[in-house]
Parts: sequence; structure tokens; C-alpha cells
Amino acid sequence: NAGVTQTPKFRVLKTGQSMTLLCAQDMNHEYMYWYRQDPGMGLRLIHYSVGEGTTAKGEVPDGYNVSRLKKQNFLLGLESAAPSQTSVYFCASGRGESPLHFGNGTRLTVT
Amino acid sequence: SQQGEEDPQALSIQEGENATMNCSYKTSINNLQWYRQNSGRGLVHLILIRSNEREKHSGRLRVTLDTSKKSSSLLITASRAADTASYFCATVGSSNTGKLIFGQGTTLQVKP
Repeated sequence: NAGVTQTPKFRVLKTGQSMTLLCAQDMNHEYMYWYRQDPGMGLRLIHYSVGEGTTAKGEVPDGYNVSRLKKQNFLLGLESAAPSQTSVYFCASGRGESPLHFGNGTRLTVT
Repeated sequence: SQQGEEDPQALSIQEGENATMNCSYKTSINNLQWYRQNSGRGLVHLILIRSNEREKHSGRLRVTLDTSKKSSSLLITASRAADTASYFCATVGSSNTGKLIFGQGTTLQVKP
């Protein structure tokens, strides 16, 4: 039981490049989330999903897209990376109002 | 803007002392959760309190919730150096869409 696994752990992008962050969970959770964490800002919700095939916008969705084609996976895409997207990205999963399980994060630097 | 705001932003205490962190939120909630984050790691769930509960205990943790004031507090008793971490509150709105919004966190340092 691996819990929530995020890949990659680290990435450096140049402005304008694209990439996809992968989140996988093996707990059969319905709900999955993508957050970004910046110094002094806490965690801000980017997008979330309440089930396979559904996604919804969070607090800071601009510049990101997501897909939930399979229940166990939640992908976060950056189509054209910007320096403002330099951050630590966390994925989490859960069952509705129950506590979330977090991955260990992806550290992204956009130069 | 974020739902939860925490106070203080940083707290430094000696081992054995109690640590109290406060969280305020803006809209009605279904439940409020507290999480802990060690440096460089993901968040770990500590305790969940529902909107119809006023107090909850888990080991050395005590959480209170005052829905009339839209605030919660986390008390860690008899702190240890290993409690050094950042602590976050998070709320699920009463509409329960599954959206979980975090506060900015309190950084706790416990000196041995």
C-alpha cells in the first residue's frame, strides 16, 4: 500500500515549456486534489475531482489543466510554464469529508 | 481568498510547555481539520472536528471549535522537540462539495 505517489519529485522547466505532473493513489479514494504551496501562502487549491471523469476549479486554477480518466490517477498539466508557477505541488486523496492523504510533493522551478 | 487564517504565524516554545494555535474561517463549514507538515514532506492529518462538536481530544492534542465565532484552536500539551513542524487548519464548506481549503499555517519550534 503505497498511499499517494507523485512523480516527478523535482523538475526544472524553462518558460513556455509544458509538463504533466502525475498523482497516483491506491486507496480507492473518490476525491483527489492538487494544491500548490508557496512561502507564506499556505496551500492553495488548484483543481480537484470528486470522481472519475469529473474535475472542478479550486482557488487558483489559471494556467493549469487536469484530467481524471482513471479513478486512481489525477494529472496536472502546465501547457506553457511561467516563473510564477515555481512552487511545490502537492496531490492529495480522500473520501469526501474524511481526512486527506498527501503525497510528498513535486518541486517545480520555472526559469 | 483563503478560508482559514491562522494565528500566530510562528511560535517558539521550550520543551514541556503547551502550544496553542488558532484558526479563523469565513463561511459556514461541515468540518474543520488540522494537519501537520514536517519540513520537506507532505501534510499528515491530525484531527477532524465536525460542525456540531465543540471539543475533541487525541493524545496530547486538544481541538476546540466555536462556530459562532468561526474559529478553532489546536492545543498541544507537554510539547516535545519532535513536535517542531508547521500546522495547518483546513475547512470543508457546509455545502460539502469536497473542496478542502487550507489556512496559511503556524510554524512551531520546540526548543529542547
